[in-house]
Amino acid sequence: DARVTQTPRHKVTEMGQEVTMRCQPILGHNTVFWYRQTMMQGLELLAYFRNRAPLDDSGMPKDRFSAEMPDATLATLKIQPSEPRDSAVYFCASGTGATNEKLFFGSGTQLSVL
Amino acid sequence: GNSVTQMEGPVTLSEEAFLTINCTYTATGYPSLFWYVQYPGEGLQLLLKATKADDKGSNKGFEATYRKETTSFHLEKGSVQVSDSAVYFCALKGNAGNMLTFGGGTRLMVKP
Repeated sequence: DARVTQTPRHKVTEMGQEVTMRCQPILGHNTVFWYRQTMMQGLELLAYFRNRAPLDDSGMPKDRFSAEMPDATLATLKIQPSEPRDSAVYFCASGTGATNEKLFFGSGTQLSVL
Repeated sequence: GNSVTQMEGPVTLSEEAFLTINCTYTATGYPSLFWYVQYPGEGLQLLLKATKADDKGSNKGFEATYRKETTSFHLEKGSVQVSDSAVYFCALKGNAGNMLTFGGGTRLMVKP
């Protein structure tokens, strides 16, 4: 079965360190989303790409977060410098872009910033 | 803008009980509606969907009917199992874009 692959599954780091999370969308999918999940806020959309171009990153703190798609098989989400409040599970999802089409989610990266 | 409101959890039921998780939405036009399920330690996966008014989505014994008049998409199951314990998310995708808007999620716990 095709699946969205995220790495790493778990990341523990110290405040101030750079964190890079990676996502391999399903081959042929042209939309990629980054979501953050916390107990308090639920699922928050951080960034949205279509055909590798960023369409919406309004949910992302611009001073420390950046999202890119260097090529169609890789999406990255970076935090620099990281802070304890960034601790969350970060999900990547991909889709074909059709309005009624579902998204496929990765298993997430659980980030703990100490 | 688009928004989705779900009943707050947790919902705790005994095995074989009837389940309803309420979901209402606000959107312009005719959105597509979804229920996603998240099992512990995993990402979200699509449970069912409906793309137009009066459509009924169904999967694994779960059902939800797209009610435009009440802007609702309530999730139901006639007899829950322990393995249904998970977090359930209602979501919509509007006509104007491809972004999914999620509700806050409802945790379901089924006891044997």
